[in-house]
Amino acid sequence: KQEVTQIPAALSVPEGENLVLNCSFTDSAIYNLQWFRQDPGKGLTSLLLIQSSQREQTSGRLNASLDKSSGRSTLYIAASQPGDSATYLCAVRPGASGGSNYKLTFGKGTLLTVNP
Amino acid sequence: GAVVSQHPSWVICKSGTSVKIECRSLDFQATTMFWYRQFPKQSLMLMATSNEGSKATYEQGVEKDKFLINHASLTLSTLTVTSAHPEDSSFYICSASPYYNEQFFGPGTRLTVL
Repeated sequence: KQEVTQIPAALSVPEGENLVLNCSFTDSAIYNLQWFRQDPGKGLTSLLLIQSSQREQTSGRLNASLDKSSGRSTLYIAASQPGDSATYLCAVRPGASGGSNYKLTFGKGTLLTVNP
Repeated sequence: GAVVSQHPSWVICKSGTSVKIECRSLDFQATTMFWYRQFPKQSLMLMATSNEGSKATYEQGVEKDKFLINHASLTLSTLTVTSAHPEDSSFYICSASPYYNEQFFGPGTRLTVL
């Protein structure tokens, strides 16, 4: 059974700091890994999706890396801003899961607070 | 593109009543829709997966007679919480997926049962 762990559970940083969020998974047979942002009381916003064959993806100030063999992914946020404050979730999609009928496994998330 | 809506965004009801939550894919056809439940400070837990025109597949521990799912069309799925009780209070999120692609998530529905 796939298990996804996110460390730390909460992180508070001053504005402008670069930071790294961690995600680990127990079964390396994944199809892809996705990072989401969730604001309080809201749904999920997809940030980055990394296919199992990729090592990293970048979008603006965000960079996500994937080391499938070791079961790890990191989300790097550069020059953090107060607007980045949210919960960040990672989710893995199981390998060999073609089509749309598959089950994502989520971590519990990291609550990020960026202080002005 | 790939927008998913949910209605209502929040609902308060009395214990014993039934509540229906709608999930719509607005600009694509969703072969599969998923329903998740999220408790405070917890992650999303998959409740069930539904394919258009078929019965939903429920995760272990989820009562299918309590959480009725209907996926009547390629753009609409509904979750009905029957005879709701305070322990059913939670944040319910749906997602929708075209045949080949990732899941796109709705904004969620906050259910409070008094």
